[in-house]
Amino acid sequence: AQRVTQPEKLLSVFKGAPVELKCNYSYSGSPELFWYVQYSRQRLQLLLRHISRESIKGFTADLNKGETSFHLKKPFAQEEDSAMYYCAQPPSGVLIFGQGTELSVKP
Amino acid sequence: DTGVSQDPRHKITKRGQNVTFRCDPISEHNRLYWYRQTLGQGPEFLTYFQNEAQLEKSRLLSDRFSAERPKGSFSTLEIQRTEQGDSAMYLCASSFVRGHTGYTFGSGTRLTVV
Repeated sequence: AQRVTQPEKLLSVFKGAPVELKCNYSYSGSPELFWYVQYSRQRLQLLLRHISRESIKGFTADLNKGETSFHLKKPFAQEEDSAMYYCAQPPSGVLIFGQGTELSVKP
Repeated sequence: DTGVSQDPRHKITKRGQNVTFRCDPISEHNRLYWYRQTLGQGPEFLTYFQNEAQLEKSRLLSDRFSAERPKGSFSTLEIQRTEQGDSAMYLCASSFVRGHTGYTFGSGTRLTVV
């Protein structure tokens, strides 16, 4: 079965520290990868897409086909970045999500 | 259009009862998806529609679950003879046919089976 793996359930950093949330995917045929974010008491929302190569709220993600990874990075974490982050891929046209990583940014 | 709407927000039901949830997608979106999310897990795909046609169902979707999207607009998800294991957040999302822009999610319906 196609899988998206997020190895860390919880990542805790201090404000201003760099952040890297890991994501590995198993289906190599699809170039489409996404990061979704869910802030406390809010709905799941799209953060960024590989295809658009954008930077949103200071976050970037680089596709590494050799390592089948799509890690999410931010050089300086802010307290408002605290949230659940989900990596997702549509191997058969439907998004498959990882288990999520909770990012906690402490003051 | 205020996005994807789901109703109700919360539902508590006794084991064995039937429940039905509704989702109103973004009107321009052709595709509508249902996911289930339990504590500590990412959303798990259940089924999706393109217009009124149900194109795919996950093996997670038992015979007690049925979804419809009459006229290609809103969708309903019905669970018959609910079990405690059905307790979860049920998420609806919609997108254009080509999903490069990603999905727009609703706030979800939290089901508790007692």
